[in-house]
Amino acid sequence: KAGVTQTPRYLIKTRGQQVTLSCSPISGHRSVSWYQQTPGQGLQFLFEYFSETQRNKGNFPGRFSGRQFSNSRSEMNVSTLELGDSALYLCASSRNRQGGRNTEAFFGQGTRLTVV
Amino acid sequence: SQQGEEDPQALSIQEGENATMNCSYKTSINNLQWYRQNSGRGLVHLILIRSNEREKHSGRLRVTLDTSKKSSSLLITASRAADTASYFCATDAKGSSNTGKLIFGQGTTLQVKP
Repeated sequence: KAGVTQTPRYLIKTRGQQVTLSCSPISGHRSVSWYQQTPGQGLQFLFEYFSETQRNKGNFPGRFSGRQFSNSRSEMNVSTLELGDSALYLCASSRNRQGGRNTEAFFGQGTRLTVV
Repeated sequence: SQQGEEDPQALSIQEGENATMNCSYKTSINNLQWYRQNSGRGLVHLILIRSNEREKHSGRLRVTLDTSKKSSSLLITASRAADTASYFCATDAKGSSNTGKLIFGQGTTLQVKP
C-alpha cells in the first residue's frame, strides 16, 4: 500500500507570492490533516478535511487555506507569503470515520518551504 | 497552544542501553500516539495507546499511559544507532474526537552512540 505522498518536496518562494502544496493520502483514508513544523513553534495543527469538508481548523491566519477533492487528495494554499511561513509542512491521513474514534495518523515526508 | 510537554528535551545513550522518554499533557484525551522523526523528514507512527489502556508493547517499544497523572512514557529497549531521531507524543483531546487534530509535544531528541 502506498504511503502518504506530498509534492513538491522542496520549494523556494519570494515574499508576497502564493504557494500550493499537494497531499495524496493512503488509499481508503478519507481524513487529511495538515501541520506546520518550525524550530520555534514545533508541530502545529493547521486544518483537517474529511469527505471534502473542513472539520477543524487551527489558529492560523486566513492566508492559510485548504481543500479536499472527491478522491480525498488535498491541497493547502498560502497566500501573500511571509518570511515566517518558512517551515516543513506535513500532511497526515487516517481512517477516521464520521462519528468514529480517532485512529493512527500516517504522515508524508513533508514539503520544505523556504520564503526569501 | 502545545498541549504536550516532553522530558528530557535531549537524551544521549550508548548502543544497547534503554531509552526512556516522558510526555505530559493537560486535558482529557481519547488516545495518545508516539512518532519518530529523522532529521526534519516525515513522522513515522510508532504506537497508539487508548485512554482506557495502561500499557502497550510493540517490538522493542513499550508505552505506558497514566491518565490520572496525564502522562505517558516511551521506553526503547536495547537501543541501536538507527534509533537516533526525535520522538514526539501527540494527543487528541476529548471534545475534538474524530476531527483529526493532534496536539504535539516539543519532542525528545535521542542520540544513540555506536
